[in-house]
Amino acid sequence: QKEVEQDPGPLSVPEGAIVSLNCTYSNSAFQYFMWYRQYSRKGPELLMYTYSSGNKEDGRFTAQVDKSSKYISLFIRDSQPSDSATYLCAMNSGGSNYKLTFGKGTLLTVNP
Amino acid sequence: EAQVTQNPRYLITVTGKKLTVTCSQNMNHEYMSWYRQDPGLGLRQIYYSMNVEVTDKGDVPEGYKVSRKEKRNFPLILESPSPNQTSLYFCASSLGQGYRNEQFFGPGTRLTVL
Repeated sequence: QKEVEQDPGPLSVPEGAIVSLNCTYSNSAFQYFMWYRQYSRKGPELLMYTYSSGNKEDGRFTAQVDKSSKYISLFIRDSQPSDSATYLCAMNSGGSNYKLTFGKGTLLTVNP
Repeated sequence: EAQVTQNPRYLITVTGKKLTVTCSQNMNHEYMSWYRQDPGLGLRQIYYSMNVEVTDKGDVPEGYKVSRKEKRNFPLILESPSPNQTSLYFCASSLGQGYRNEQFFGPGTRLTVL
């Protein structure tokens, strides 16, 4: 079993749809969970950062972490064509371990 | 502007011809890392550095070298490139102070080895 599993998609939705992106993981030591957004021909940029279980909301984006199920989600409300990108989940156990473990990314296209 | 820069952005070379991809950050970050990104394989860590003169292997270090002589720079060296090193390469940096390991990525270097 891979440490982090992420459905690669591609995922295509109409503008205004609610998008749900998910990752599962196997390492119970992970405590810090991130979502990166990567536009075509660009480097990944941090979108959401969550520590331990719970929800975090930032505008149209909500990140959820369920450590008991080893499952994280990113919800995008009122999706826009500008949200079209690859979304990568990443996680880390913290402390002196700086390594991020990434999912393979989900390609999202929001159609106008 | 806080950023990670990489050069060159695009490079086409031939097998066996040594090359260096430079990476520089202006955020005084301690931690720097190199990744390669391949279709279906995602981002894989090549090497990382916790601080000046401290480097260590990531998940796919074979065929690569790095050095960290200054805090801001972390070059990636391919002594004898081979076609299987054709990939998209990213440098990243972070504060490395433990509790929040947000990594900032450079714009990427697309390398083709013929």
